[in-house]
Amino acid sequence: DAGVIQSPRHEVTEMGQEVTLRCKPISGHDYLFWYRQTMMRGLELLIYFNNNVPIDDSGMPEDRFSAKMPNASFSTLKIQPSEPRDSAVYFCASSTNRGANQPQHFGDGTRLSIL
Amino acid sequence: DAKTTQPTSMDCAEGRAANLPCNHSTISGNEYVYWYRQIHSQGPQYIIHGLKNNETNEMASLIITEDRKSSTLILPHATLRDTAVYYCIVRVYSGGSNYKLTFGKGTLLTVNP
Repeated sequence: DAGVIQSPRHEVTEMGQEVTLRCKPISGHDYLFWYRQTMMRGLELLIYFNNNVPIDDSGMPEDRFSAKMPNASFSTLKIQPSEPRDSAVYFCASSTNRGANQPQHFGDGTRLSIL
Repeated sequence: DAKTTQPTSMDCAEGRAANLPCNHSTISGNEYVYWYRQIHSQGPQYIIHGLKNNETNEMASLIITEDRKSSTLILPHATLRDTAVYYCIVRVYSGGSNYKLTFGKGTLLTVNP
């Protein structure tokens, strides 16, 4: 089975540009999570969705960040305008809620560098 | 929120058992303990989880103390490919029927030949 698919794997862009990260969760999974990982702050949860509806966006750093999930098989995380401090690895994860305590399955991440 | 405390780093000889400790003294009665690991440049990988009974799967064993204030992840025969950061996480209730994971710093396990 295909796992969580993220694109692009690497992104290098100049500050001020719009950045869009994409995620395709595992088919049949109801939850989708966006995380950010940096050396300083570790792995942080940004936002998560249940059945395409945002449940908790308390981890979104500021208004420059937005996330959408237009359907069950696709989500985007957008940064506009981007800043050098947004440089990090962004992970997407998904899980099912069929049965208790289902683990999250992570993608391989998008390594973002803002110059 | 229950927090976890793990050693920053550990070493283990290849072929030996790796025992990774975790303290979660503020855990509440219905909170689960999860273990994930992250191999360099990859996304975190689920290993195992438990509530109060010991658990075993094809990857590892999880031993939870009777008072649930600590646990130990055991990799029975560590290999070089087990070198990774291991995260012990107490799953946090997030409202409704929703839960979320809060990752700490984890333990860097280095398996040596």
